[in-house]
Amino acid sequence: ETGVTQTPRHLVMGMTNKKSLKCEQHLGHNAMYWYKQSAKKPLELMFVYSLEERVENNSVPSRFSPECPNSSHLFLHLHTLQPEDSALYLCASSQANRGGQPQHFGDGTRLSIL
Amino acid sequence: AQKVTQAQTEISVVEKEDVTLDCVYETRDTTYYLFWYKQPPSGELVFLIRRNSFDEQNEISGRYSWNFQKSTSSFNFTITASQVVDSAVYFCALSEDNYGQNFVFGPGTRLSVLP
Repeated sequence: ETGVTQTPRHLVMGMTNKKSLKCEQHLGHNAMYWYKQSAKKPLELMFVYSLEERVENNSVPSRFSPECPNSSHLFLHLHTLQPEDSALYLCASSQANRGGQPQHFGDGTRLSIL
Repeated sequence: AQKVTQAQTEISVVEKEDVTLDCVYETRDTTYYLFWYKQPPSGELVFLIRRNSFDEQNEISGRYSWNFQKSTSSFNFTITASQVVDSAVYFCALSEDNYGQNFVFGPGTRLSVLP
Protein backbone atom coordinates (compact mmCIF):
# COMPACT_ATOMS: atom_id res chain seq x y z
CA GLU A 1 0.00 0.00 0.00
CA THR A 2 1.57 3.29 -1.04
CA GLY A 3 1.95 6.03 1.57
CA VAL A 4 -0.56 8.58 0.28
CA THR A 5 -3.24 7.55 -2.18
CA GLN A 6 -5.42 9.95 -4.15
CA THR A 7 -8.50 9.13 -6.19
CA PRO A 8 -9.45 9.70 -8.89
CA ARG A 9 -6.23 10.32 -10.82
CA HIS A 10 -8.08 12.27 -13.48
CA LEU A 11 -11.39 14.10 -13.35
CA VAL A 12 -13.24 16.03 -16.02
CA MET A 13 -16.30 17.92 -14.91
CA GLY A 14 -18.63 20.64 -16.03
CA MET A 15 -18.97 23.88 -14.14
CA THR A 16 -22.30 22.88 -12.63
CA ASN A 17 -21.25 19.43 -11.41
CA LYS A 18 -20.48 18.37 -7.86
CA LYS A 19 -17.63 15.95 -7.26
CA SER A 20 -15.23 14.99 -4.49
CA LEU A 21 -11.52 14.24 -4.41
CA LYS A 22 -10.34 11.64 -1.93
CA CYS A 23 -7.03 11.23 -0.15
CA GLU A 24 -5.95 8.44 2.18
CA GLN A 25 -2.67 8.14 4.05
CA HIS A 26 -1.19 4.93 5.46
CA LEU A 27 1.76 6.52 7.25
CA GLY A 28 0.25 7.09 10.69
CA HIS A 29 0.53 10.84 10.30
CA ASN A 30 -1.65 13.35 12.13
CA ALA A 31 -1.75 16.24 9.64
CA MET A 32 -3.07 16.39 6.09
CA TYR A 33 -2.93 19.06 3.41
CA TRP A 34 -4.48 20.06 0.10
CA TYR A 35 -2.34 21.88 -2.47
CA LYS A 36 -3.21 23.28 -5.88
CA GLN A 37 -0.61 23.17 -8.64
CA SER A 38 -1.40 25.19 -11.76
CA ALA A 39 0.77 25.51 -14.82
CA LYS A 40 3.45 28.18 -14.45
CA LYS A 41 2.52 28.84 -10.80
CA PRO A 42 4.08 27.77 -7.51
CA LEU A 43 2.41 25.20 -5.34
CA GLU A 44 -0.44 26.83 -3.44
CA LEU A 45 -1.39 25.55 0.00
CA MET A 46 -5.16 25.41 0.25
CA PHE A 47 -6.06 23.69 3.51
CA VAL A 48 -4.31 22.18 6.52
CA TYR A 49 -5.82 19.75 8.98
CA SER A 50 -3.98 18.83 12.16
CA LEU A 51 -5.50 16.23 14.47
CA GLU A 52 -8.63 16.46 12.32
CA GLU A 53 -9.07 20.17 13.02
CA ARG A 54 -8.74 22.67 10.20
CA VAL A 55 -5.85 24.97 11.08
CA GLU A 56 -5.35 26.83 7.83
CA ASN A 57 -7.57 28.04 5.04
CA ASN A 58 -5.65 30.23 2.65
CA SER A 59 -8.42 32.39 1.23
CA VAL A 60 -9.75 29.55 -0.84
CA PRO A 61 -13.08 30.18 -2.60
CA SER A 62 -16.07 28.54 -0.95
CA ARG A 63 -16.65 26.36 -4.01
CA PHE A 64 -13.89 24.20 -2.48
CA SER A 65 -14.97 22.52 0.75
CA PRO A 66 -12.59 20.23 2.67
CA GLU A 67 -13.56 17.44 5.02
CA CYS A 68 -11.34 15.41 7.33
CA PRO A 69 -13.38 12.67 9.04
CA ASN A 70 -10.30 11.09 10.66
CA SER A 71 -6.55 11.42 10.58
CA SER A 72 -6.21 9.01 7.65
CA HIS A 73 -8.76 10.48 5.26
CA LEU A 74 -9.17 13.84 3.61
CA PHE A 75 -11.73 14.95 1.04
CA LEU A 76 -12.08 17.99 -1.15
CA HIS A 77 -15.67 18.61 -2.21
CA LEU A 78 -16.06 20.58 -5.41
CA HIS A 79 -19.09 22.46 -6.69
CA THR A 80 -19.73 25.12 -9.29
CA LEU A 81 -16.08 25.29 -10.31
CA GLN A 82 -14.60 27.72 -12.81
CA PRO A 83 -12.26 27.01 -15.73
CA GLU A 84 -9.36 28.55 -13.79
CA ASP A 85 -9.77 25.78 -11.22
CA SER A 86 -8.32 23.30 -13.71
CA ALA A 87 -5.09 22.13 -12.07
CA LEU A 88 -3.31 19.26 -10.35
CA TYR A 89 -4.60 18.86 -6.79
CA LEU A 90 -2.10 17.29 -4.46
CA CYS A 91 -2.71 15.81 -1.05
CA ALA A 92 0.07 15.47 1.52
CA SER A 93 0.47 14.24 5.07
CA SER A 94 3.04 14.68 7.82
CA GLN A 95 3.68 14.12 11.50
CA ALA A 96 2.88 17.60 12.68
CA ASN A 97 3.89 17.60 16.34
CA ARG A 98 7.57 17.12 15.60
CA GLY A 99 9.63 19.89 14.09
CA GLY A 100 10.86 19.75 10.55
CA GLN A 101 9.01 16.66 9.43
CA PRO A 102 8.72 16.32 5.65
CA GLN A 103 5.38 16.21 3.96
CA HIS A 104 4.65 13.11 1.92
CA PHE A 105 2.59 13.57 -1.22
CA GLY A 106 0.17 11.54 -3.28
CA ASP A 107 0.19 11.33 -7.08
CA GLY A 108 -2.43 14.04 -7.36
CA THR A 109 -5.77 14.39 -9.13
CA ARG A 110 -5.62 16.18 -12.46
CA LEU A 111 -8.82 18.19 -12.68
CA SER A 112 -10.18 19.67 -15.90
CA ILE A 113 -13.19 21.98 -15.86
CA LEU A 114 -15.11 22.21 -19.11
CA ALA B 1 8.23 36.51 5.75
CA GLN B 2 9.68 33.37 4.29
CA LYS B 3 10.50 33.02 0.61
CA VAL B 4 12.22 30.50 -1.64
CA THR B 5 13.77 31.40 -4.98
CA GLN B 6 14.81 28.97 -7.67
CA ALA B 7 16.19 31.21 -10.37
CA GLN B 8 16.63 28.45 -12.94
CA THR B 9 13.29 27.81 -14.58
CA GLU B 10 14.51 25.10 -16.95
CA ILE B 11 17.81 23.30 -17.43
CA SER B 12 18.78 20.84 -20.14
CA VAL B 13 21.84 18.65 -19.92
CA VAL B 14 23.14 15.64 -21.77
CA GLU B 15 23.30 12.34 -19.95
CA LYS B 16 26.37 11.90 -17.73
CA GLU B 17 26.84 15.62 -17.25
CA ASP B 18 26.82 17.05 -13.73
CA VAL B 19 24.13 19.61 -12.96
CA THR B 20 23.52 21.94 -10.01
CA LEU B 21 20.10 23.27 -9.09
CA ASP B 22 20.14 26.50 -7.12
CA CYS B 23 17.94 27.40 -4.17
CA VAL B 24 18.06 30.66 -2.22
CA TYR B 25 15.81 31.25 0.76
CA GLU B 26 14.76 34.10 3.03
CA THR B 27 13.72 33.76 6.63
CA ARG B 28 13.93 35.76 9.85
CA ASP B 29 13.90 32.70 12.06
CA THR B 30 17.03 31.09 13.44
CA THR B 31 15.39 27.68 13.46
CA TYR B 32 14.11 26.46 10.13
CA TYR B 33 14.15 23.46 7.84
CA LEU B 34 14.99 23.10 4.17
CA PHE B 35 13.78 20.38 1.83
CA TRP B 36 14.21 19.18 -1.73
CA TYR B 37 11.48 17.33 -3.61
CA LYS B 38 11.42 15.70 -7.05
CA GLN B 39 8.27 15.71 -9.19
CA PRO B 40 8.47 13.27 -12.11
CA PRO B 41 5.88 13.42 -14.90
CA SER B 42 3.59 11.11 -12.91
CA GLY B 43 2.85 14.04 -10.57
CA GLU B 44 3.82 12.83 -7.12
CA LEU B 45 6.30 14.98 -5.18
CA VAL B 46 9.00 12.70 -3.85
CA PHE B 47 10.84 13.80 -0.72
CA LEU B 48 14.62 13.77 -1.23
CA ILE B 49 16.27 15.45 1.75
CA ARG B 50 15.71 17.62 4.83
CA ARG B 51 18.21 19.91 6.50
CA ASN B 52 17.77 21.90 9.71
CA SER B 53 19.32 25.31 10.15
CA PHE B 54 21.86 24.11 12.71
CA ASP B 55 23.34 21.44 10.50
CA GLU B 56 25.52 22.87 7.74
CA GLN B 57 27.21 19.62 6.88
CA ASN B 58 26.98 18.82 3.23
CA GLU B 59 25.37 15.53 2.38
CA ILE B 60 25.93 12.99 -0.34
CA SER B 61 23.55 10.21 -1.28
CA GLY B 62 24.70 8.25 -4.29
CA ARG B 63 24.75 10.62 -7.26
CA TYR B 64 22.98 13.35 -5.27
CA SER B 65 24.70 15.92 -3.08
CA TRP B 66 23.51 19.00 -1.24
CA ASN B 67 25.46 22.12 -0.30
CA PHE B 68 23.93 24.16 2.53
CA GLN B 69 25.49 27.57 3.15
CA LYS B 70 23.86 29.81 5.74
CA SER B 71 26.16 32.70 4.87
CA THR B 72 24.58 32.96 1.43
CA SER B 73 21.16 31.51 2.40
CA SER B 74 21.54 28.82 -0.20
CA PHE B 75 20.77 25.13 -0.33
CA ASN B 76 21.97 23.88 -3.71
CA PHE B 77 21.45 20.41 -5.13
CA THR B 78 23.93 18.68 -7.45
CA ILE B 79 23.29 15.59 -9.52
CA THR B 80 26.48 13.88 -10.65
CA ALA B 81 26.55 11.86 -13.88
CA SER B 82 22.94 12.69 -14.67
CA GLN B 83 20.62 10.08 -16.14
CA VAL B 84 17.46 10.32 -18.21
CA VAL B 85 15.45 9.15 -15.17
CA ASP B 86 16.54 12.33 -13.37
CA SER B 87 14.31 14.35 -15.70
CA ALA B 88 11.71 15.98 -13.46
CA VAL B 89 10.76 19.22 -11.78
CA TYR B 90 12.71 19.81 -8.58
CA PHE B 91 11.34 21.91 -5.75
CA CYS B 92 13.16 23.48 -2.86
CA ALA B 93 11.04 24.23 0.23
CA LEU B 94 11.40 26.04 3.55
CA SER B 95 9.56 25.46 6.81
CA GLU B 96 9.88 27.77 9.80
CA ASP B 97 7.06 26.06 11.59
CA ASN B 98 8.07 23.78 14.41
CA TYR B 99 5.03 21.70 13.64
CA GLY B 100 6.05 21.13 10.03
CA GLN B 101 2.82 22.51 8.68
CA ASN B 102 3.80 25.74 7.03
CA PHE B 103 5.84 24.91 3.96
CA VAL B 104 6.83 27.48 1.37
CA PHE B 105 7.84 25.96 -1.94
CA GLY B 106 10.01 27.54 -4.58
CA PRO B 107 8.70 27.74 -8.15
CA GLY B 108 10.65 24.67 -9.19
CA THR B 109 13.34 23.93 -11.77
CA ARG B 110 12.48 21.67 -14.70
CA LEU B 111 15.45 19.44 -15.48
CA SER B 112 15.62 17.63 -18.81
CA VAL B 113 18.35 15.05 -19.22
CA LEU B 114 18.83 14.16 -22.86
CA PRO B 115 20.19 10.79 -23.97
